[in-house]
Amino acid sequence: DGGITQSPKYLFRKEGQNVTLSCEQNLNHDAMYWYRQDPGQGLRLIYYSQIVNDFQKGDIAEGYSVSREKKESFPLTVTSAQKNPTAFYLCASSTTSVNYEQYFGPGTRLTVT
Amino acid sequence: DAKTTQPPSMDCAEGRAANLPCNHSTISGNEYVYWYRQIHSQGPQYIIHGLKNNETNEMASLIITEDRKSSTLILPHATLRDTAVYYCIVRVYGSGNTGKLIFGQGTTLQVKP
Repeated sequence: DGGITQSPKYLFRKEGQNVTLSCEQNLNHDAMYWYRQDPGQGLRLIYYSQIVNDFQKGDIAEGYSVSREKKESFPLTVTSAQKNPTAFYLCASSTTSVNYEQYFGPGTRLTVT
Repeated sequence: DAKTTQPPSMDCAEGRAANLPCNHSTISGNEYVYWYRQIHSQGPQYIIHGLKNNETNEMASLIITEDRKSSTLILPHATLRDTAVYYCIVRVYGSGNTGKLIFGQGTTLQVKP
């Protein structure tokens, strides 16, 4: 089955620790995205990547880092510099043609205490 | 950036058509209107998109006004499984055709028996 996988579904960390969220896709998509969602809110873009070894900051990149060493993988690290890391994190992918839709993974709910 | 305005919530009787409105009065000529929905604690699901013509697929119909300042998503026969938050999104073009999606707070559709 083609799709996007995110693991784990629930993640708990202590304040001050870095944590890396996994995102893998087998759709052969060039572009990948990370969004953050807070309760009752829409999604906000953290980082996106259109091609391997290249990525751009989204609207709320502070306190996050990413890498794109492989086409299929786009891991997100939530660093200790992120002031409010507890949130629902969603990964998505798409082609880079002019007219495209984004496919979303099931999300990872991160709780930092 | 083009913004969208949606009612925060709507109810619909099961088996009836659900008509979800969206205003996007600042939309540019080359910007598409996308609709996604998100069932609680899952990743958003693509529904449909359009530029200026009405569109229909197996899930829904999209009606865009002639001046493109508003649109309506129609679910022809709503079921209980259509209960979700529906997002109307205008895709913004960035440099290199990056095209990011800007999510608002969406409309919570409650389908009732």
